[in-house]
Amino acid sequence: DTGVSQNPRHKITKRGQNVTFRCDPISEHNRLYWYRQTLGQGPEFLTYFQNEAQLEKSRLLSDRFSAERPKGSFSTLEIQRTEQGDSAMYLCASSRDRTEQYFGPGTRLTVT
Amino acid sequence: AQKITQTQPGMFVQEKEAVTLDCTYDTSDPSYGLFWYKQPSSGEMIFLIYQGSYDQQNATEGRYSLNFQKARKSANLVISASQLGDSAMYFCAMRELSYTGTASKLTFGTGTRLQVTL
Repeated sequence: DTGVSQNPRHKITKRGQNVTFRCDPISEHNRLYWYRQTLGQGPEFLTYFQNEAQLEKSRLLSDRFSAERPKGSFSTLEIQRTEQGDSAMYLCASSRDRTEQYFGPGTRLTVT
Repeated sequence: AQKITQTQPGMFVQEKEAVTLDCTYDTSDPSYGLFWYKQPSSGEMIFLIYQGSYDQQNATEGRYSLNFQKARKSANLVISASQLGDSAMYFCAMRELSYTGTASKLTFGTGTRLQVTL
């Protein structure tokens, strides 16, 4: 069991550029979650997948954000036309059904 | 309305002492789950302990125990015999049924920064 991995760990981009993050969940976990955490706050839910189906999206998730989980394995989170307000830590978590969620190390995004 | 409230922005505890981190929650669902996570400076969220709303006994995991008082809607984390490595942010979180009818997302509090001193 290698845990949840996320790539890249850090990303610096200019405003207006597109970025994509990848999350590899624990292999036997069927649920995958994306959260965003800003400084001094707890993580906020963005979206979640059960297998390949995206079952819920937060109202925080604007049209510039899209997430996929092809084949129910790894997931990608894309942010188009980044804004400075998108700067945050993006956390991925996975679980087997309703059990506890295990988090990856996160991707820290800085938009300049 | 805030669903998870952690009123202690920061706490200090001496090594080997016990410490209680407070968490209150708000929900109208009869079925919910409460979690505590630890976030060291490295940033990774580490699962510590879980309490289900129907669990009769308080959850325990090693040095961690959850003081669950359902009527008061509180789920305080007790860390016994504190160690220097316990210094971190601690987040309380709740899982409820979502509008899709599935129990999925976690709602987190703002966290408590614990500092363990010699």
